[in-house]
Amino acid sequence: QKEVEQNSGPLSVPEGAIASLNCTYSDRGSQSFFWYRQYSGKSPELIMSIYSNGDKEDGRFTAQLNKASQYVSLLIRDSQPSDSATYLCAVTLRGSSASKIIFGSGTRLSIRP
Amino acid sequence: DTGVSQNPRHKITKRGQNVTFRCDPISEHNRLYWYRQTLGQGPEFLTYFQNEAQLEKSRLLSDRFSAERPKGSFSTLEIQRTEQGDSAMYLCASSLYRTSGYNEQFFGPGTRLTVL
Repeated sequence: QKEVEQNSGPLSVPEGAIASLNCTYSDRGSQSFFWYRQYSGKSPELIMSIYSNGDKEDGRFTAQLNKASQYVSLLIRDSQPSDSATYLCAVTLRGSSASKIIFGSGTRLSIRP
Repeated sequence: DTGVSQNPRHKITKRGQNVTFRCDPISEHNRLYWYRQTLGQGPEFLTYFQNEAQLEKSRLLSDRFSAERPKGSFSTLEIQRTEQGDSAMYLCASSLYRTSGYNEQFFGPGTRLTVL
């Protein structure tokens, strides 16, 4: 079992709709969770961090964390063509001094006009 | 803007040559990380520093790889006797360590290495 799993996609969503990206992780002791956006040929850009169960909203983005289910998700409201990118879920492992981040392989999101 | 910077942005080398990459973190950040990313995969952790101390190194990192952060500011990653399998994007990230454990890492633009 991979430590961080994501559906590779591509996930195709019409412009203006809600895009829902999902991630599961294996280490029940994980404490910190991140979503990065990566455009083709570019480096990852941090868009959301979440540390507690529940929802965290920032503009059009909402991160949701359920530690009991070992599940973290990212919702993008009012999707725009500029949201087309690969979204990487990242998790810190228990006992890693909160520094070693494990990334999933990413979900490719395509917003169709 | 004083984000993370990396040089060079691209490097093409022949198999067997040594290469060195540089990373300059965000100025107030005390932690610096190196990752490697290949096509279709997420970044893979290589090593990290807190100030000048190298605190963790991936078991996947062979002896041909070495990293330094001599004055706790910029860092270098050297690959000796490069192999074609070393071709990848090498990413540097930095963070400000908090005792709370929160640890948001910010990435530089990366150095793309091609080994011929």
